[in-house]
Amino acid sequence: GAGVSQSPSNKVTEKGKDVELRCDPISGHTALYWYRQSLGQGLEFLIYFQGNSAPDKSGLPSDRFSAERTGGSVSTLTIQRTQQEDSAVYLCASSLVWTANTGELFFGEGSRLTVL
Amino acid sequence: GDSVTQMEGPVTLSEEAFLTINCTYTATGYPSLFWYVQYPGEGLQLLLKATKADDKGSNKGFEATYRKETTSFHLEKGSVQVSDSAVYFCALTTSGTYKYIFGTGTRLKVLA
Repeated sequence: GAGVSQSPSNKVTEKGKDVELRCDPISGHTALYWYRQSLGQGLEFLIYFQGNSAPDKSGLPSDRFSAERTGGSVSTLTIQRTQQEDSAVYLCASSLVWTANTGELFFGEGSRLTVL
Repeated sequence: GDSVTQMEGPVTLSEEAFLTINCTYTATGYPSLFWYVQYPGEGLQLLLKATKADDKGSNKGFEATYRKETTSFHLEKGSVQVSDSAVYFCALTTSGTYKYIFGTGTRLKVLA
């Protein structure tokens, strides 16, 4: 597709279950970002990929969160043993270059996660 | 660490009113500055950017000037339309890094 695609668009799960969120970036974009947008909060940086490598995972809130990227393309964000405070919109963005001074981030529409 | 502070919303204006959304930043390096917009039901998209002091970014009638002396990048539009109703995010990134830092967003509602 032409843009960044995320799935599912909405996910409702029970506390304690695991969830996987998928991001399909724009073809050829080497940089991929995950952000979290909580109600009333700004965008919280989670993790950044350059190719398949994640040089900085320090934004991941806890060890229940993990992410991977394969083939320099699709990325999956996994949240294990979900908690109610994990409820948020998870945004994925990609960029053509990693030196982001003049690069533009292209965002997907997000995956809204609700943990009951 | 680097940070971005935006004015609290929501901002409600009548059509054709003048808009200002304040944004100030703190950065250890020399940042590039951005405004992103999120229309209802859509992903964030770049509205405008400025990469050095005194640069003015502009797009769709919006503009913002990179003011290093006041560490500000305020968004302005002379005459807003109902279609400008959205959430606006100020952001920065610093040379040699990959991380974009976003503000909390300001919701704008324009009434006909």
